[in-house]
Amino acid sequence: GNSVTQMEGPVTLSEEAFLTINCTYTATGYPSLFWYVQYPGEGLQLLLKATKADDKGSNKGFEATYRKETTSFHLEKGSVQVSDSAVYFCALINQAGTALIFGKGTTLSVSS
Amino acid sequence: DTEVTQTPKHLVMGMTNKKSLKCEQHMGHRAMYWYKQKAKKPPELMFVYSYEKLSINESVPSRFSPECPNSSLLNLHLHALQPEDSALYLCASSQLPGQGGQAGYTFGSGTRLTVV
Repeated sequence: GNSVTQMEGPVTLSEEAFLTINCTYTATGYPSLFWYVQYPGEGLQLLLKATKADDKGSNKGFEATYRKETTSFHLEKGSVQVSDSAVYFCALINQAGTALIFGKGTTLSVSS
Repeated sequence: DTEVTQTPKHLVMGMTNKKSLKCEQHMGHRAMYWYKQKAKKPPELMFVYSYEKLSINESVPSRFSPECPNSSLLNLHLHALQPEDSALYLCASSQLPGQGGQAGYTFGSGTRLTVV
């Protein structure tokens, strides 16, 4: 079946530190991959996406590259800010899928 | 309009009450979804509507009753809920299943439901 595995959190960083949140997936065919972010008390916002191998999604300084050979879609940011504190969800939709499949989420806490 | 609007934002209801959650989108999406999210957990799919017809029910108890009156609206009718049903209920929409992979889903900000 289809599944997404994220690194366990929480991740605690100081402002301006480098961020990596690991994500790997299992899926048949060629899934589309996503990172969603959820700020405290809010719904989910699409952060970035990639729809085929070697695509790089980017938004607000965050990046993730679709690596089919390692079935990974790791989220990175060069310099985090306090305002980046949130829960980050890696997710996929497979080629014939009808719903978004989420990882368990990683809580990021950034302090000044 | 690139938003999904959910009302109300907060709802407190007793176990004998009947209430409804509402969701609206004007992006022309023909797939709409209800998700349930407990604290510190990922969203769990409840229902999928495609072309206003229920296509997926993830074994949700009958005290939750979805309705899709038209292509822009999605309701979730609640009756005789239990305290463990307290959660954030998220609505989402996308292009048709199988085509949603290109753009992803657009989520509303959710209704935070408390059952007392």
